[in-house]
Amino acid sequence: SAVISQKPSRDICQRGTSLTIQCQVDSQVTMMFWYRQQPGQSLTLIATANQGSEATYESGFVIDKFPISRPNLTFSTLTVSNMSPEDSSIYLCSVVGGETEAFFGQGTRLTVV
Amino acid sequence: QKEVEQNSGPLSVPEGAIASLNCTYSDRVSQSFFWYRQYSGKSPELIMSIYSNGDKEDGRFTAQLNKASQYVSLLIRDSQPSDSATYLCAATSGDSSYKLIFGSGTRLLVRP
Repeated sequence: SAVISQKPSRDICQRGTSLTIQCQVDSQVTMMFWYRQQPGQSLTLIATANQGSEATYESGFVIDKFPISRPNLTFSTLTVSNMSPEDSSIYLCSVVGGETEAFFGQGTRLTVV
Repeated sequence: QKEVEQNSGPLSVPEGAIASLNCTYSDRVSQSFFWYRQYSGKSPELIMSIYSNGDKEDGRFTAQLNKASQYVSLLIRDSQPSDSATYLCAATSGDSSYKLIFGSGTRLLVRP
């Protein structure tokens, strides 16, 4: 499986600010996704990061709040904008390998104060 | 009905026992299913994938899929304290074979 590196691994941010999370993969991948895991909850898909075009967002998530870049097949960023305490979560980058198996980066634990 | 449902647990079993984790799904998901293990503070780790009816075995793990009854299960034989974690059931979305829909997870505790 691909090696997925995410950074930062954790951060504490002030409300109203923005944080950009980076995801680097050691091989080219077609499908890359961003998930959110709120405290004590399961994973929810935020968006599909499309290379060379705008990301595809799931219901309840919008580009102004979670802008995503995917400049090439090995790298993507997710920005959490104008943060509030409700954005405190773990954000996970995921890539698909094999048939449809998804693998995850180590996650970014965000706390908004 | 949620698309993927799991009992949140905790499921407590003694060391050496078989742990049985269950998951049901709706018609809104597709036909690929996955079990992930997530230790506290860590990201999910893929344990098993299953795509067709029946059993699939990998070491101490067996995944079972029953499409007629719309359930997926994971059996862990000879459970070890190190198996204590949250187990997430996931299915591919009905509108994409790559997007995953996760259940809420079942917390497993293996007692020494």
